[in-house]
Amino acid sequence: DTAVSQTPKYLVTQMGNDKSIKCEQNLGHDTMYWYKQDSKKFLKIMFSYNNKELIINETVPNRFSPKSPDKAHLNLHINSLELGDSAVYFCASSQASSYNSPLHFGNGTRLTVT
Amino acid sequence: QQPVQSPQAVILREGEDAVINCSSSKALYSVHWYRQKHGEAPVFLMILLKGGEQKGHDKISASFNEKKQQSSLYLTASQLSYSGTYFCGTDSSRAGGTSYGKLTFGQGTILTVHP
Repeated sequence: DTAVSQTPKYLVTQMGNDKSIKCEQNLGHDTMYWYKQDSKKFLKIMFSYNNKELIINETVPNRFSPKSPDKAHLNLHINSLELGDSAVYFCASSQASSYNSPLHFGNGTRLTVT
Repeated sequence: QQPVQSPQAVILREGEDAVINCSSSKALYSVHWYRQKHGEAPVFLMILLKGGEQKGHDKISASFNEKKQQSSLYLTASQLSYSGTYFCGTDSSRAGGTSYGKLTFGQGTILTVHP
């Protein structure tokens, strides 16, 4: 059974389009995250939710909007895609805060904006 | 500010040992270590908490020097499967604080193990 699953695995789209990435975890965790990994492998947190409540919102453009319908799901919608948005986006979850709980990552969504 | 890892890359032969370091300019409350293989997700290895508690992998050890704001990951008797990029992630928030749970990752250390 997949613990943290995200779809799609690959996403190729043109500038200006709107796209969504979905994430689901079946671990019963309370906290979910979106991380962005750029071409230099730098992993940067974007958002975190705890029991559907937004906890961390890094300096991410307003074009990125997360939504958590319940604590097992965290989706990411991106408006007006730009070339610089090309990256691998990882969803992750943890039992509580990442302070003392391991992060479990999904397999990533490779977004390519042309 | 992201932690700094050293070295940036390590090449080993099977059976050799390696140490990967992670330094932060901020006070640390916890340090995580993850390994990522090419095209895959990062996988949890270990957490070290302020005060000495550790959670993690049986075959990998690590240290956490709170005063120096540093952590080191020790890979002994390396195997081919150890190859990958190793990331440290640091949490400088206090439990219950406003930045609770914000993990900041280092730039990664590429480890290559040859037969």
